[in-house]
Amino acid sequence: DAGITQSPRHKVTETGTPVTLRCHQTENHRYMYWYRQDPGHGLRLIHYSYGVKDTDKGEVSDGYSVSRSKTEDFLLTLESATSSQTSVYFCAAHSGGEAFFGQGTRLTVV
Amino acid sequence: AQTVTQSQPEMSVQEAETVTLSCTYDTSESDYYLFWYKQPPSRQMILVIRQEAYKQQNATENRFSVNFQKAAKSFSLKISDSQLGDAAMYFCAYMGSGYALNFGKGTSLLVTP
Repeated sequence: DAGITQSPRHKVTETGTPVTLRCHQTENHRYMYWYRQDPGHGLRLIHYSYGVKDTDKGEVSDGYSVSRSKTEDFLLTLESATSSQTSVYFCAAHSGGEAFFGQGTRLTVV
Repeated sequence: AQTVTQSQPEMSVQEAETVTLSCTYDTSESDYYLFWYKQPPSRQMILVIRQEAYKQQNATENRFSVNFQKAAKSFSLKISDSQLGDAAMYFCAYMGSGYALNFGKGTSLLVTP
């Protein structure tokens, strides 16, 4: 995982509740990403960051927000979770032309 | 956003044989990175091979090699001497100047004895 840690690894939450996933990296990578992985869709980019407090939207950003107040942490928030957000979420960090991935978080919204 | 297309949802290969996975992409940029990642059932994302667009020489990593056709926007992965441990999902990915890393939908590779 090259120093990329996601927490929690598993979470079950109820519809309508806020949820925050955390990605922590120890290698001082400048770029960080959040993806969701669903069968038949591959990995779809939710948001990414190109520096502290610098973020941009990916292709499936609706219903998600992110924050990066320091280099090592990139937070993904579901403001009001819906069942369509049940998925496996991956964090990645990039530098030097290679992206490193966390182990993934399985989120179930019931 | 740049589009990455993997047209083969599933592929099968016999052990010790060679298989090629296809990937095409759409971009107007001239300088970018292309990647192949492997995802075994453990869900871990493993970098298989990387290609920088300005390099004309095709990248190789042991049994893995690519056929990079820049004009055709094609980036196929060849796996030689396939092994049972090669069975996994394979994802093609593109990174351009904006540093967003975009993936295709993946190809599931089955390796039969």
